[in-house]
Amino acid sequence: EIVLTQSPGTLSLSPGERATLSCRASQGVISKNLAWYQQKPGQAPRLLIYGASRRAAGIPDRFSGSGSGTDFTLTISRLEPEDFVVYFCQQYGSPITFGQGTRLEIK
Amino acid sequence: QVQLVASGGGVVQPGTSLRLSCSASGFSFGGYGIHWVRQAPGKGLEWVAFIGHDGNNKNYAESVRGRFTISRDNSKNTVDLQLNSLRTADTAVYFCARDGVGCFDLWGQGTLVTVSS
Repeated sequence: EIVLTQSPGTLSLSPGERATLSCRASQGVISKNLAWYQQKPGQAPRLLIYGASRRAAGIPDRFSGSGSGTDFTLTISRLEPEDFVVYFCQQYGSPITFGQGTRLEIK
Repeated sequence: QVQLVASGGGVVQPGTSLRLSCSASGFSFGGYGIHWVRQAPGKGLEWVAFIGHDGNNKNYAESVRGRFTISRDNSKNTVDLQLNSLRTADTAVYFCARDGVGCFDLWGQGTLVTVSS
């Protein structure tokens, strides 16, 4: 099983700043099988990035993904107030696994 | 409207059973695999089960294999998850999600299962 470790657990920033969220895998992940999700309180997750760097439909271009192998990054270029929620990475191996999440909070 | 709607959750005692359902609309349901993913209160996401577009391919997480069974009816645009021998550790919100390209590209709103004596 591939273990995904997200860091930091909580990230404190201000609106307008740049956020960099990390997802490290315990073994190599095929890039097309790495995704990022945003989850607001009381809601289902929403797909942001798939294939490590492809934005899902309707996702603003301030969200971008990068990385390969065991190290992946989600970058939010200019934080908006609605971005301060939880983010998960996920790999589509066997079995499918998720990172434990990064909470983005207002500083 | 393209959507998935999960239902069937409730409060049950350990050792009992429950059947969840996921109803799809707005897209060609028979062309997509469907997953169930769960989230314990205040915790992260755990993949539970998958069924292929035609029902012939099924996979389960180790934690539920032998207790949960996934099935689908393409004539009704539904996927069911039968939960047997429930444990307190199965308490979670259960989401159904559409299989995308190495990801889950559409999620239902979730249904809460509480296992408690």
